[in-house]
Amino acid sequence: QQPVQSPQAVILREGEDAVINCSSSKALYSVHWYRQKHGEAPVFLMILLKGGEQKGHDKISASFNEKKQQSSLYLTASQLSYSGTYFCGTEGKETSGSRLTFGEGTQLTVNP
Amino acid sequence: NAGVTQTPKFQVLKTGQSMTLQCAQDMNHNSMYWYRQDPGMGLRLIYYSASEGTTDKGEVPNGYNVSRLNKREFSLRLESAAPSQTSVYFCASSMWKTNTEAFFGQGTRLTVV
Repeated sequence: QQPVQSPQAVILREGEDAVINCSSSKALYSVHWYRQKHGEAPVFLMILLKGGEQKGHDKISASFNEKKQQSSLYLTASQLSYSGTYFCGTEGKETSGSRLTFGEGTQLTVNP
Repeated sequence: NAGVTQTPKFQVLKTGQSMTLQCAQDMNHNSMYWYRQDPGMGLRLIYYSASEGTTDKGEVPNGYNVSRLNKREFSLRLESAAPSQTSVYFCASSMWKTNTEAFFGQGTRLTVV
């Protein structure tokens, strides 16, 4: 029941753009995006709740297609600080409470 | 504001030993989670507690037990540790359906030899 992320790894030069995709086989209530630096805990980027909604965080934005159960994270004009592993987390439409499940992660490396 | 506090930060166990990982949050969250993180495997859900008094299995519950002691505390117990349980363990908490993030503890690095 883990969401599926793609690609598994991306290497960019500073200033380039990237897209990370997340898809689920079950109906979703929300999609979370987190970034994790090596040896640290994941850090929250954004949460998406409605179909087609886009949110932004600096030059990082995301969309959520509720009907397709898919979300994409867009990183534009990447900076060195964007390097890390990106995880999408999904909450299903359970009625009994939250079950937050994460994908396997996408390792993003931004080089000078 | 401490957020989510996990103890210990590091632990080395011998095969067959038992131990309890402690987690406490001070944000009045109703949902709490335990994840394990292995290289290339992402964050895998071990157990979660949607609300005080309830616990449910996640994706990889075998070899673990949990206790939701009260609204603040959610512990993870390894009854008989195995080398396959060598991992980094994260506790997290959130408020269900309040459109807010999950907060993570700093993690426990466990090695079973």
